[in-house]
Amino acid sequence: GNSVTQMEGPVTLSEEAFLTINCTYTATGYPSLFWYVQYPGEGLQLLLKATKADDKGSNKGFEATYRKETTSFHLEKGSVQVSDSAVYFCALGSGGSNYKLTFGKGTLLTVNP
Amino acid sequence: GAGVSQSPSNKVTEKGKDVELRCDPISGHTALYWYRQSLGQGLEFLIYFQGNSAPDKSGLPSDRFSAERTGGSVSTLTIQRTQQEDSAVYLCASSLDGPGQYFGPGTRLTVT
Repeated sequence: GNSVTQMEGPVTLSEEAFLTINCTYTATGYPSLFWYVQYPGEGLQLLLKATKADDKGSNKGFEATYRKETTSFHLEKGSVQVSDSAVYFCALGSGGSNYKLTFGKGTLLTVNP
Repeated sequence: GAGVSQSPSNKVTEKGKDVELRCDPISGHTALYWYRQSLGQGLEFLIYFQGNSAPDKSGLPSDRFSAERTGGSVSTLTIQRTQQEDSAVYLCASSLDGPGQYFGPGTRLTVT
């Protein structure tokens, strides 16, 4: 079946540090890939997505590239801010219209000033 | 515009009672989804609606769980004879056709 593996946290960084959160997946067919973010006390928000191989999703300074050859979708940001502190979830979408999301377990990021 | 809303935000119930959780999707979104978020299991898919039909109910954990959607809009998730292992945050999401779902704030269910 489908699965998503992302690096376990917690991850603690200083402001302006470089961020990478690794995500790899196992899936049949051609899934879409997503990163969701959950800020403290808030609901899940779609951060970025990529729908086919070699697509790059980007938003708010975050980027991730859909790598079919390595089945990966690593999240990166060049310079993190305190406001980026949150839990980040990698997910893949399967089924028609990629409706069914399979999530990784989440990575807690804390950014210190 | 208004996002996905869910009610109640918190629900505490006694073991063995039935509960109903409500979801109001974003207006015009044809697809609606229920997920469950718990410490032990992470985020799990429960059920998917396209319009009022549920082509995929594969994530419902037992026959105590059911869901319906009416008018292509509001959805209700019902849990009968609640058990302590049902304690979790129940999340609803909606979308138009295509990838990218928008989530509500969730209902935190505690079964005592």
